Amino acid sequence: DGGITQSPKYLFRKEGQNVTLSCEQNLNHDAMYWYRQDPGQGLRLIYYSQIVNDFQKGDIAEGYSVSREKKESFPLTVTSAQKNPTAFYLCASSTPGQGHYGYTFGSGTRLTVV
Amino acid sequence: GQNIDQPTEMTATEGAIVQINCTYQTSGFNGLFWYQQHAGEAPTFLSYNVLDGLEEKGRFSSFLSRSKGYSYLLLKELQMKDSASYLCAVPSGSWGKLQFGAGTQVVVTP
Repeated sequence: DGGITQSPKYLFRKEGQNVTLSCEQNLNHDAMYWYRQDPGQGLRLIYYSQIVNDFQKGDIAEGYSVSREKKESFPLTVTSAQKNPTAFYLCASSTPGQGHYGYTFGSGTRLTVV
Repeated sequence: GQNIDQPTEMTATEGAIVQINCTYQTSGFNGLFWYQQHAGEAPTFLSYNVLDGLEEKGRFSSFLSRSKGYSYLLLKELQMKDSASYLCAVPSGSWGKLQFGAGTQVVVTP
């Protein structure tokens, strides 16, 4: 079955470390997105990519980096410059069709700074 | 940009009906989505409205009024498993990007 896979499910980061969150999809979707979710808040867009080798900053890109070398993969690196990285991270993909651009979400990665 | 407002929390009893309102301000309208999110899980798609009116899908219905910048999600015959956060979202700017509201936490009590 097609889907979108995020790993790991839980991740712990020490102060000053960079960590990379994985996101892989086999839906043949062109666009991929990274969102951050904090308690009591909605999803905030970090980065998005519409095609391979191209990506754009979202609303809260500072302290994060991404790459899109393959259509299937859109990893997110949380750098030491991100001062408050503890959050729930969601990856999504989409493609135009069927009349709307609804997302398919991964199951999320919960990142905690220790 | 978009400004999306929805209530923070709503409580209802099993078997009842709950209506979750969402108001939005957008420079260009390309539809409105509703997602359901259980705690610690990914959001799942519930509905998409692009034209005015009510769309019914089983126990869940979604309404849109573009002139008023208003939508609601109606949950009927509430079940305990409907306890979740419900997110309203609208396309924002370039192709495919969604802007989400903060979500409405629905608590279903016995």
